[in-house]
Amino acid sequence: DADVTQTPRNRITKTGKRIMLECSQTKGHDRMYWYRQDPGLGLRLIYYSFDVKDINKGEISDGYSVSRQAQAKFSLSLESAIPNQTALYFCATSDPGTGAGTQYFGPGTRLLVL
Amino acid sequence: KQEVTQIPAALSVPEGENLVLNCSFTDSAIYNLQWFRQDPGKGLTSLLLIQSSQREQTSGRLNASLDKSSGRSTLYIAASQPGDSATYLCAVVNTDKLIFGTGTRLQVFP
Repeated sequence: DADVTQTPRNRITKTGKRIMLECSQTKGHDRMYWYRQDPGLGLRLIYYSFDVKDINKGEISDGYSVSRQAQAKFSLSLESAIPNQTALYFCATSDPGTGAGTQYFGPGTRLLVL
Repeated sequence: KQEVTQIPAALSVPEGENLVLNCSFTDSAIYNLQWFRQDPGKGLTSLLLIQSSQREQTSGRLNASLDKSSGRSTLYIAASQPGDSATYLCAVVNTDKLIFGTGTRLQVFP
């Protein structure tokens, strides 16, 4: 089984809808991250969490919110989706105690907002 | 603000060639630098991580170097194969946050 899983893998939604992307990990890492990837722009950090009680904004947090339900689960919500949130979304985990910053990525969720 | 640039943006080469992919960054105060591979529609796979105190790392046919003073890293791929076709991303690590370059899309044809 994959260490970092994301659901759904693909999602089509309409402008104004609320949607949630979920991430689960079995690596036992405390640190989790959400990124989005747009063509020609690389990956950009949306939110990150260093433990269950810690939530931090990344570079592009506007229009997004997150919830860290447990060490293994980190969800990303779009409260009212808009077309420019169409992108590929990645969840990642890391454990600074091993690999000093190495991050492990999920397979991604492809989101289309119409 | 840290900015990461990768050149070239795309590269197409015949099988067997030795390749150099370039990554440059504007702020040399990095914790480490990581190279990833991304296959179409897939997630990212970590290839090599270079600590800020290191000059290079090797894994099989891959060798990555780091020159902090000049803000550069290179990924060297020896004897390229069609299976190496993918997008290669570099990312600098700053207090456990990754800042990514835009990637080099590599195609190796038989």
